[in-house]
Amino acid sequence: GQSLEQPSEVTAVEGAIVQINCTYQTSGFYGLSWYQQHDGGAPTFLSYNALDGLEETGRFSSFLSRSDSYGYLLLQELQMKDSASYFCAVRDPTGGFKTIFGAGTRLFVKA
Amino acid sequence: AAGVIQSPRHLIKEKRETATLKCYPIPRHDTVYWYQQGPGQDPQFLISFYEKMQSDKGSIPDRFSAQQFSDYHSELNMSSLELGDSALYFCASSLGAPRDTQYFGPGTRLTVL
Repeated sequence: GQSLEQPSEVTAVEGAIVQINCTYQTSGFYGLSWYQQHDGGAPTFLSYNALDGLEETGRFSSFLSRSDSYGYLLLQELQMKDSASYFCAVRDPTGGFKTIFGAGTRLFVKA
Repeated sequence: AAGVIQSPRHLIKEKRETATLKCYPIPRHDTVYWYQQGPGQDPQFLISFYEKMQSDKGSIPDRFSAQQFSDYHSELNMSSLELGDSALYFCASSLGAPRDTQYFGPGTRLTVL
């Protein structure tokens, strides 16, 4: 089976940098995705890592270490609007389309 | 750019009633996914379709069924509704690889009374 672990909550101040970690246990692995979800809204795709290393997209970066079964999402220059839930996700290792989400990390950005 | 469309946005039903949720994926996307999300929970995968054929099933109750039509829109049919079915239901679509990039619709909020 697959499982993902991420912290339930993180609090940071505006302008700061925050890192949201995700560790996974899967019988196979295709890659790690990250989604952002504001209250009452839909998940929005942020980033995807299939290979080790850092992927940068504007203020957001995502990192993957397959040997450590670990990844993180890095948010820089935090803004109030970044307050949301962040989910890591993996696809079913059998090659299907079933997607497993972590429980989500609630980020609170304070002024 | 066109996004995933879901209807209705809100739905209120009584216990034991039926409900049908509709999803219109982004044009030319070949895969559709359905998710259920309870309050404070992560999205739970229900079912997916690839090129109009069911591809994978997750934690979808037997009371639920889904299909994808020739125009690629999909419908989630829910029967014998229970209080516990109250949740946000999201449809997402994707194209090609990596299929880990899924585009979500705005969701349908189902309330069962």
